[in-house]
Amino acid sequence: AQSVTQPDIHITVSEGASLELRCNYSYGATPYLFWYVQSPGQGLQLLLKYFSGDTLVQGIKGFEAEFKRSQSSFNLRKPSVHWSDAAEYFCAVVGGSGGGADGLTFGKGTHLIIQP
Amino acid sequence: DGGITQSPKYLFRKEGQNVTLSCEQNLNHDAMYWYRQDPGQGLRLIYYSQIVNDFQKGDIAEGYSVSREKKESFPLTVTSAQKNPTAFYLCASSPTSGRRGTDTQYFGPGTRLTVL
Repeated sequence: AQSVTQPDIHITVSEGASLELRCNYSYGATPYLFWYVQSPGQGLQLLLKYFSGDTLVQGIKGFEAEFKRSQSSFNLRKPSVHWSDAAEYFCAVVGGSGGGADGLTFGKGTHLIIQP
Repeated sequence: DGGITQSPKYLFRKEGQNVTLSCEQNLNHDAMYWYRQDPGQGLRLIYYSQIVNDFQKGDIAEGYSVSREKKESFPLTVTSAQKNPTAFYLCASSPTSGRRGTDTQYFGPGTRLTVL
């Protein structure tokens, strides 16, 4: 069954500093991977996605992610964070862990706090 | 103005009552999904539908029911059989392509259900 692990529940970063959010996946075939962001009480917005090809993927709001098959990872990065980046971040892979093949399996999320 | 709408934003119900959450999309997407979000748990797939008049169970379908009579609508009923219904419910939709699973899912703003 597919699974996604986000090892960090909370991360605190100073404004202007670089950011890396970790994501590890378990999937039997070539994974389709996503990063979403959620502001409090809101829906999810897609930041970027990886299906195939170049392993470094560029997204919106200055985010990028790198797919590393050997490490089963898809870490999200940003060179310089802004206070508006404070939110919950979710990594996801296509395929439900219980058999919902066309849904997404999500990690539990990483809460990003930005210090002034 | 295209998008996904969920109503109401907040919903309160007494224990033992069924309640129906609305999800409408005007994106002309074929596929629609329902997820449940609990604090610290990420999102979990309840039901999904790839086409009108067809739907499939996700990872946590027990205590829930859906219908897909129209392409643009995918209501979710939380029944009295759901043991712990208080949660944030998110609806999503995606276009379908020849490569299933590669389409981006777009999320609505969510409905917070509280059972008293």
